Amino acid sequence: DGGITQSPKYLFRKEGQNVTLSCEQNLNHDAMYWYRQDPGQGLRLIYYSQIVNDFQKGDIAEGYSVSREKKESFPLTVTSAQKNPTAFYLCASNPQGATGELFFGEGSRLTVL
Amino acid sequence: GQQLNQSPQSMFIQEGEDVSMNCTSSSIFNTWLWYKQDPGEGPVLLIALYKAGELTSNGRLTAQFGITRKDSFLNISASIPSDVGIYFCAGQTPGNKLVFGAGTILRVKS
Repeated sequence: DGGITQSPKYLFRKEGQNVTLSCEQNLNHDAMYWYRQDPGQGLRLIYYSQIVNDFQKGDIAEGYSVSREKKESFPLTVTSAQKNPTAFYLCASNPQGATGELFFGEGSRLTVL
Repeated sequence: GQQLNQSPQSMFIQEGEDVSMNCTSSSIFNTWLWYKQDPGEGPVLLIALYKAGELTSNGRLTAQFGITRKDSFLNISASIPSDVGIYFCAGQTPGNKLVFGAGTILRVKS
């Protein structure tokens, strides 16, 4: 079945460590996105990519990095520079030109100990 | 920047009741979307609205794109236990930016 797969579902890390969240899609979508979700807040855009080998910062990119070497994959690295990394991270994708209609993965919950 | 005010923040209703929630903004939007998120999952698109005044239904769900382009509402008729979750509105700005509301948490008493 077509969809977006995020892994791991749950992740714990110590302060000062980098961690990489995986996002893979087999929907043949051009655009991919990373959002952060905190309780009581709307989804906030971290990074997005509209084409392979190109990506743009979203509203809260500081402390995060991404790559887009393949159309299907858009991994997110949460670096030690991110001051408050504990959150629920959502990856999404959509075809070009369908900005609002997003297909989301099941999310990854990161907890920093 | 653009902000969406979504209300209510949470609702606790009886099974079978109708539910209404809305999003308002001081800015105009070209598209309004409503998503539902089940606990521990990613949001799923329920309804997308593309024109001011548009009224669209999807089963027991009805949503409208406000005539001023600054608001939208979502109604759920005859709520059932599986309606529980968080409902998000989202608006696409004229500059193609997608803005999300903070969500409405829906809890249903069976």
